[in-house]
Amino acid sequence: GQQLNQSPQSMFIQEGEDVSMNCTSSSIFNTWLWYKQDPGEGPVLLIALYKAGELTSNGRLTAQFGITRKDSFLNISASIPSDVGIYFCAGHRAGTALIFGKGTTLSVSS
Amino acid sequence: GAVVSQHPSWVICKSGTSVKIECRSLDFQATTMFWYRQFPKQSLMLMATSNEGSKATYEQGVEKDKFLINHASLTLSTLTVTSAHPEDSSFYICSASSSGSYNEQFFGPGTRLTVL
Repeated sequence: GQQLNQSPQSMFIQEGEDVSMNCTSSSIFNTWLWYKQDPGEGPVLLIALYKAGELTSNGRLTAQFGITRKDSFLNISASIPSDVGIYFCAGHRAGTALIFGKGTTLSVSS
Repeated sequence: GAVVSQHPSWVICKSGTSVKIECRSLDFQATTMFWYRQFPKQSLMLMATSNEGSKATYEQGVEKDKFLINHASLTLSTLTVTSAHPEDSSFYICSASSSGSYNEQFFGPGTRLTVL
């Protein structure tokens, strides 16, 4: 089935550092979504992107919908301990279900 | 707003028994509900999509007779794992959409199923 390549798989950073993760696909998507999942919880939507080239911020988080519609990135600035968790990208196009990336596990040391 | 709950949050059962998991949209009407399973350190895999009042649509490879889904009202969907076996142990997550759109899903907190 369709796969999203999400990288990196995991990151270990110091508090205050910036973080960047991305997802790529061999197919075009109409929507890119970024979720965060805490242990034992369901995913929570962070940012939704609907147009190629769109750059959207949510507090310290910024995400962009790639111009080719085959990729997206998520940046977190000035990381804090509560940013710890698993971040998933998800892509969608008409007539299909959401396709999730494999996740990026973020660890932040203070 | 847009709160989705699941019950139970965790369950342990014996092999061969059936387990029912409930998914409720608390403050909106969910035209569509989705059921996912997630293995440790893995991504979410869609199992089925259910629209209120109609039969669920199952993804390829998901046994509909084993994973029974009922979406009898706009605020409640249930997933019953029948004759559970240890390999069914997983984290089951539901999501709900008021628009029926895959884009706009709100996820529940998940149910951890352990089959002994």
